[in-house]
Amino acid sequence: AQKVTQAQTEISVVEKEDVTLDCVYETRDTTYYLFWYKQPPSGELVFLIRRNSFDEQNEISGRYSWNFQKSTSSFNFTITASQVVDSAVYFCALSGGGSNYKLTFGKGTLLTVNP
Amino acid sequence: GAVVSQHPSWVICKSGTSVKIECRSLDFQATTMFWYRQFPKQSLMLMATSNEGSKATYEQGVEKDKFLINHASLTLSTLTVTSAHPEDSSFYICSARDLALANTGELFFGEGSRLTVL
Repeated sequence: AQKVTQAQTEISVVEKEDVTLDCVYETRDTTYYLFWYKQPPSGELVFLIRRNSFDEQNEISGRYSWNFQKSTSSFNFTITASQVVDSAVYFCALSGGGSNYKLTFGKGTLLTVNP
Repeated sequence: GAVVSQHPSWVICKSGTSVKIECRSLDFQATTMFWYRQFPKQSLMLMATSNEGSKATYEQGVEKDKFLINHASLTLSTLTVTSAHPEDSSFYICSARDLALANTGELFFGEGSRLTVL
């Protein structure tokens, strides 16, 4: 069975602070995919990143960066110099490889960035 | 990127009526679509996997007779909530897998449909 744990239910920071959202996953698949999504108050899911299990390189995209460590089954997400517009719920998700693309979502982390 | 469109975006209905939600892949073919439900302040829970031309596969605890799924073409899946009750009020989101991008793990999500049952 697959499982995604986002231990942080809510995080509140002041604008320009850096913030890291944690994600720990469990799977028996050797091939799998990890995702991060942003869900603003309007509800739609905004895709941020997809990473396959064979690519452990960290990635940076503007103020966003991701740290994938298979040894600890973690896929953490850092926002540098946070902005008010970053306020949203962030979901980490996991899907298997092959023909199984069902996504298992974590419970989400509500990030509030205060001015 | 690929676009998945859901309709309606929001719907209010009376208890006991049925509501149909459409999920369309606008610029790609999707043999598989997924339906999720999200209650307020909770995560997304997979309800069912919709396969074009065959019966949907429902997750444990999801009533297949209450949540009817039809995937009659490669670009359209529908979810019908039959005899809706207030406890069915939720945010329903679909996602689709592009046939041409099989084995990449890539999925595309619709905008979601917010159902309120009075």
